[in-house]
Amino acid sequence: AQSVTQLGSHVSVSEGALVLLRCNYSSSVPPYLFWYVQYPNQGLQLLLKYTTGATLVKGINGFEAEFKKSETSFHLTKPSAHMSDAAEYFCAVTSGGFQKLVFGTGTRLLVSP
Amino acid sequence: DTAVSQTPKYLVTQMGNDKSIKCEQNLGHDTMYWYKQDSKKFLKIMFSYNNKELIINETVPNRFSPKSPDKAHLNLHINSLELGDSAVYFCASSPNSGYEQYFGPGTRLTVT
Repeated sequence: AQSVTQLGSHVSVSEGALVLLRCNYSSSVPPYLFWYVQYPNQGLQLLLKYTTGATLVKGINGFEAEFKKSETSFHLTKPSAHMSDAAEYFCAVTSGGFQKLVFGTGTRLLVSP
Repeated sequence: DTAVSQTPKYLVTQMGNDKSIKCEQNLGHDTMYWYKQDSKKFLKIMFSYNNKELIINETVPNRFSPKSPDKAHLNLHINSLELGDSAVYFCASSPNSGYEQYFGPGTRLTVT
């Protein structure tokens, strides 16, 4: 079975500071990994994905994540936070094909002026 | 030109009633899903259909019945609604050639 652990239900940063949201996964097969963002009262929007190939993946809004197999991690980063980045972020894993997405419990990012 | 749409956006109803939520995607995807997000924001798969065929059926009460009239639509019917059914229900779709899923805006169901 696959699982995702997101460390920290809340992360607070100042505007302009580095954003680091942590995600560790467990999977017995090569994983496909995703980060989604959910703004209040909205659906989930795909930020970025890792399937195969380059382990550093870039997404929308200046976010990127690095797949580290040895650490079973897929942490999300952004060099400089904007107020508009305040939202809930979900890490998810699947084994591909018709398999379901397994989500982490989410991390709420708070950005202060 | 909404990719994945759901209706209604909000649904308030009383215990014991039957209700339906509709989902449509115009992305040409072959697979569609229903997820439930509880009050703590936890997201869990309920069902998945591929080309109108049920492929994932998690341990969901029989009161929940999905129906896919064609590969662009996946509806969710809920019988005898209970307080614990209150949640946000998300529809999603994905192509057979890829693994990412695209989500609808959600339907907030409140059972009183």
